[in-house]
Amino acid sequence: DTGVSQDPRHKITKRGQNVTFRCDPISEHNRLYWYRQTLGQGPEFLTYFQNEAQLEKSRLLSDRFSAERPKGSFSTLEIQRTEQGDSAMYLCASSLSQAFGEQYFGPGTRLTVT
Amino acid sequence: SQQGEEDPQALSIQEGENATMNCSYKTSINNLQWYRQNSGRGLVHLILIRSNEREKHSGRLRVTLDTSKKSSSLLITASRAADTASYFCATSGGSNYKLTFGKGTLLTVNP
Repeated sequence: DTGVSQDPRHKITKRGQNVTFRCDPISEHNRLYWYRQTLGQGPEFLTYFQNEAQLEKSRLLSDRFSAERPKGSFSTLEIQRTEQGDSAMYLCASSLSQAFGEQYFGPGTRLTVT
Repeated sequence: SQQGEEDPQALSIQEGENATMNCSYKTSINNLQWYRQNSGRGLVHLILIRSNEREKHSGRLRVTLDTSKKSSSLLITASRAADTASYFCATSGGSNYKLTFGKGTLLTVNP
């Protein structure tokens, strides 16, 4: 069990560019979550997958955001036409569906939009 | 939107002292969890307490839950410099999957 991994750890991009982040969950976990955390705040829920199905999207996830989890394994989060307000830490977490809510978090991807 | 509110926002203590953080939330829950986050890193799960439990212990951690007041407290006993981090409470309700976090308490333990 190597834990949840995220790539890249840091991303600096110019406004208007597209970025894609990857999350590899713990192998036997069938639930995968994305959260966004801005400075001085707690993480905020973005979206959630049960296997390959995306079951909920937050209102924070505008049309510029898209997330996928092909084959129910790793997941990608893409942001199109980035804006300065997208600068944040993007956290991925995974869990077992029968778990009572405990989630295992990756180290996060810090995005800076200049 | 944030569900919980931690209090205090920041806490500074000496090594060996106890640290108490509080969390209040707004809606009914299935469980409440506490996470730790070291500066700029991911979150580490500390402890989970179910809505039908009132107190739970894990090592130097003690968590209480009062569902009538919609509040929880986290006590860290005999603190160490390595406990320096931000601590977040997170609630889970309804379908029991997504977590709703508070803004956190920044704990500094001085050696």
